[in-house]
Amino acid sequence: GAVVSQHPSWVICKSGTSVKIECRSLDFQATTMFWYRQFPKQSLMLMATSNEGSKATYEQGVEKDKFLINHASLTLSTLTVTSAHPEDSSFYICSANNRAEITDTQYFGPGTRLTVL
Amino acid sequence: GENVEQHPSTLSVQEGDSAVIKCTYSDSASNYFPWYKQELGKRPQLIIDIRSNVGEKKDQRIAVTLNKTAKHFSLHITETQPEDSAVYFCAASIMNSGYSTLTFGKGTMLLVSP
Repeated sequence: GAVVSQHPSWVICKSGTSVKIECRSLDFQATTMFWYRQFPKQSLMLMATSNEGSKATYEQGVEKDKFLINHASLTLSTLTVTSAHPEDSSFYICSANNRAEITDTQYFGPGTRLTVL
Repeated sequence: GENVEQHPSTLSVQEGDSAVIKCTYSDSASNYFPWYKQELGKRPQLIIDIRSNVGEKKDQRIAVTLNKTAKHFSLHITETQPEDSAVYFCAASIMNSGYSTLTFGKGTMLLVSP
């Protein structure tokens, strides 16, 4: 149980285009979903936190107009990288809390590798 | 906000030896401390966690200790095996408006040589 999926697993796009990444909790309802970015050989950096039906909370330094987050349901959150540039190339990982668990445990998706040419 | 320091950044051991990774945190309100193992290009996998009301927790070859007073916690892996080679991240969690956010350490690359 507690499986999180992401789609796509990798994407290559041209500079200036937008890319949407989906994060789904497959067998549980997610109270909260989190979006992280991980550059090569670095740690996971929290970008934003989203709760179903409300606006996402962005971490300091993360542009909310560039990284659009939509948490449409208790099982789906999307991250759209708008007007992507090469410096946005990174590994994007989502995670989710299980609504049924009284715990802080975050279940991670497999990640999406974005390459912007 | 919370700040998590992790040491060492790299750790090389021989198969069968023990490995210890240490982390410190800054916010005394943090109350949940998970450890994740991440293989190259894969998702982080939770391997063990500890809460602030417990001083030590063990799961087979893996153990975690927590010193709330000193604000540090450690991961201990005994009888290391080559398949333990990966990057390990510690994290500290603090409740924020009804949900918890994780702050990660910078990671430790563990290499276990046969």
